[in-house]
Amino acid sequence: RKEVEQDPGPFNVPEGATVAFNCTYSNSASQSFFWYRQDCRKEPKLLMSVYSSGNEDGRFTAQLNRASQYISLLIRDSKLSDSATYLCVVRWMDSSYKLIFGSGTRLLVRP
Amino acid sequence: DGGITQSPKYLFRKEGQNVTLSCEQNLNHDAMYWYRQDPGQGLRLIYYSQIVNDFQKGDIAEGYSVSREKKESFPLTVTSAQKNPTAFYLCASSIASGRFTGELFFGEGSRLTVL
Repeated sequence: RKEVEQDPGPFNVPEGATVAFNCTYSNSASQSFFWYRQDCRKEPKLLMSVYSSGNEDGRFTAQLNRASQYISLLIRDSKLSDSATYLCVVRWMDSSYKLIFGSGTRLLVRP
Repeated sequence: DGGITQSPKYLFRKEGQNVTLSCEQNLNHDAMYWYRQDPGQGLRLIYYSQIVNDFQKGDIAEGYSVSREKKESFPLTVTSAQKNPTAFYLCASSIASGRFTGELFFGEGSRLTVL
């Protein structure tokens, strides 16, 4: 079983739609969680951290469910510029530097 | 502007040749990393360094070597022992462990193709 699993997609949605991605992780001792965004053939960039109580940043909402070991990312009012691959990233409690990256979920927003 | 510079952006090499990928940062970060990304897969950690003159193997270190002689520089050598070296290589840096927020700053990557 992969340490971090994501649906590869692609999720193909119209502009203005709401779309949600889930990500599951295998290590219950995971400490920190993040969503990174990666544009085609570019480097990943941090989109947002995921806090236990859930958090929002504009049109983006991240949720954490420790009991079921998954995190989610909700994007409201999708824009064409949201088209990218979204990487779920987990940091283990016993490894201060090591981040485990999921393989990503691809989002395509169409006009 | 502060950032991470990787070079070359594209590199073609013949099988059996060693290649060295450059990574320089001017963010004054203590920690630096090398990741490999293959199509449809997540980033996999090759090596990381928390401080000058020290580095640790990641999950897929076999066939790779690194050095950290300066804080700003963390070059990666892909040796002929690496069985499948064609990939997208990403260098990253971050602040030190005690204050690490989970944010890695990546370079633009180096695409290595072995012919």
